Amino acid sequence: KAGVTQTPRYLIKTRGQQVTLSCSPISGHRSVSWYQQTPGQGLQFLFEYFSETQRNKGNFPGRFSGRQFSNSRSEMNVSTLELGDSALYLCASSFGGAGTGELFFGEGSRLTVL
Amino acid sequence: AQSVTQPDIHITVSEGASLELRCNYSYGATPYLFWYVQSPGQGLQLLLKYFSGDTLVQGIKGFEAEFKRSQSSFNLRKPSVHWSDAAEYFCAVQGYNNNDMRFGAGTRLTVKP
Repeated sequence: KAGVTQTPRYLIKTRGQQVTLSCSPISGHRSVSWYQQTPGQGLQFLFEYFSETQRNKGNFPGRFSGRQFSNSRSEMNVSTLELGDSALYLCASSFGGAGTGELFFGEGSRLTVL
Repeated sequence: AQSVTQPDIHITVSEGASLELRCNYSYGATPYLFWYVQSPGQGLQLLLKYFSGDTLVQGIKGFEAEFKRSQSSFNLRKPSVHWSDAAEYFCAVQGYNNNDMRFGAGTRLTVKP
């Protein structure tokens, strides 16, 4: 069974640009969560999607957005990039019922903003 | 909302020594609790989880954790550490009625030969 796949694995952008990251969940999983990981802030929850609807949202500015498609694949977008957006962005999937527990993580997309 | 505290940022132990990583949570009811491990450049891998029942849970790689409701704690233990256990360890909490998992700041484990 294939795991969670994130693309691209590495990317470099400059301030003011925008970026789109992609996540393909494990087959059969309907929930996709996104996290930002930085050395200073640790793992911070961005948002969670279930059946194409955003179900939960963390405390990030509106520059961070996401969506989920009918096949459960998800994308997140960051517009008007800032230096502080440099981070490892992790996607995780689960079956998706409320409180269903274990998240399965991808290896992440490492974004560097210059 | 739920939250997690991992008081130790960095721990160093000798290979073969025992290990305990601390985790305290805040939540209005009994949450679901997890320990994940992250090796450099990798995603997170689940070590173990607690939903209900027996408060001592066994996980992969010889790890175990004990849920103590009175102390709001879920500490991770291993009787004998191996060099390959060097990694970052995250405790996480999830409310029983949502899919929003929150993580602690992590504890980085260094293993001395």
